[in-house]
Amino acid sequence: GAVVSQHPSRVICKSGTSVKIECRSLDFQATTMFWYRQFPKKSLMLMATSNEGSKATYEQGVEKDKFLINHASLTLSTLTVTSAHPEDSSFYICSARDQIAGAIAKNIQYFGAGTRLSVL
Amino acid sequence: KNQVEQSPQSLIILEGKNCTLQCNYTVSPFSNLRWYKQDTGRGPVSLTIMTFSENTKSNGRYTATLDADTKQSSLHITASQLSDSASYICVVSARGANNLFFGTGTRLTVIP
Repeated sequence: GAVVSQHPSRVICKSGTSVKIECRSLDFQATTMFWYRQFPKKSLMLMATSNEGSKATYEQGVEKDKFLINHASLTLSTLTVTSAHPEDSSFYICSARDQIAGAIAKNIQYFGAGTRLSVL
Repeated sequence: KNQVEQSPQSLIILEGKNCTLQCNYTVSPFSNLRWYKQDTGRGPVSLTIMTFSENTKSNGRYTATLDADTKQSSLHITASQLSDSASYICVVSARGANNLFFGTGTRLTVIP
């Protein structure tokens, strides 16, 4: 099956620093990737939709200058948490949608393993 | 409003027992429904996916059902194992939409 690799799996940083999280589709091309945030015992919340070669689409309430998204190729999207604060501590998960017609029709998304961000 | 509700919120069962998790949704127009298993600190892993015309789909000890008329789905786990302890999330996709609609999940704990 399709594999999405997310790196790093865990990061601890100081308040005020920036952190970059990578999301790669390993065996398929993804024009669209998604970034989610998950709080403890809560479901995934969509933050933004990352479109290859164009600007990301952010959900209401998500600061685009805070959470920078770059989708420069068909297999890589990055999320940069800028000037991180303790309230940014969370579990971040990416997903990627396979480009093949069948997958698009079913809107199948494959998830990465997640990144646990802890801001001190 | 597109919503996905799951019950129960949490469940504890003995190893070897069966259990059934429920999912009700109001997403329209409906495209497909998926059940995911999410281990703590990991990303969701797909268990089953069902479209409008499918009533039942199995994946090993996992069997999902879908009633598109009542907009209900269930996930049945047979002969539970300790490794089944995880959150199970029901996700519904609307036709023509980019977004997925997530349930809040059921936290299953299997005890020896």
